[in-house]
Amino acid sequence: DQQVKQNSPSLSVQEGRISILNCDYTNSMFDYFLWYKKYPAEGPTFLISISSIKDKNEDGRFTVFLNKSAKHLSLHIVPSQPGDSAVYFCAASTYYGGSQGNLIFGKGTKLSVKP
Amino acid sequence: NAGVTQTPKFQVLKTGQSMTLQCAQDMNHEYMSWYRQDPGMGLRLIHYSVGAGITDQGEVPNGYNVSRSTTEDFPLRLLSAAPSQTSVYFCASSRTGPSGELFFGEGSRLTVL
Repeated sequence: DQQVKQNSPSLSVQEGRISILNCDYTNSMFDYFLWYKKYPAEGPTFLISISSIKDKNEDGRFTVFLNKSAKHLSLHIVPSQPGDSAVYFCAASTYYGGSQGNLIFGKGTKLSVKP
Repeated sequence: NAGVTQTPKFQVLKTGQSMTLQCAQDMNHEYMSWYRQDPGMGLRLIHYSVGAGITDQGEVPNGYNVSRSTTEDFPLRLLSAAPSQTSVYFCASSRTGPSGELFFGEGSRLTVL
């Protein structure tokens, strides 16, 4: 059973507009969430993270929101740029608890930003 | 600074052949792991290691072996390749352990005929 779900395989957005990528999780023990970005023929690279004690974390154009009661997080990219076109993976783990668990990844969402 | 280096980048095997995917990191990270990426399946953990001499299985370990004799190296061995092992393989390492930020290599694309 998937513990981390990205239900939208793809998303297309116009340049300059907001991109919103969504992620749901089922394991209430997860307390650390990360977003990775992956370009074709490259390895994933870390983008932004959030711990369960926060509900928002910002880094430049990227903001991650966490809704623990809904077990839902989202990544907002404002404004979107053509260089943001990539596959975005959501990942979750038990980081702050007694024993660290491995990162569990979603299936990814392919973002296309049109000029 | 090289980070995580994987070799080879591309490999074609015949069913039943064996091979080793190499992974080396120069960041002195204790934690290393191998993932495979398949279309529509995301990244799935194969094996991981929390330090030299210690390895453990991930979500999809069957058909793969690993060893960790040094902090720097974490090779992944396919003992008898099968078409189901056609995939892109990523090695990753982390300074903060299995739950923290992972640094990935560029990937190794394997095709098994």
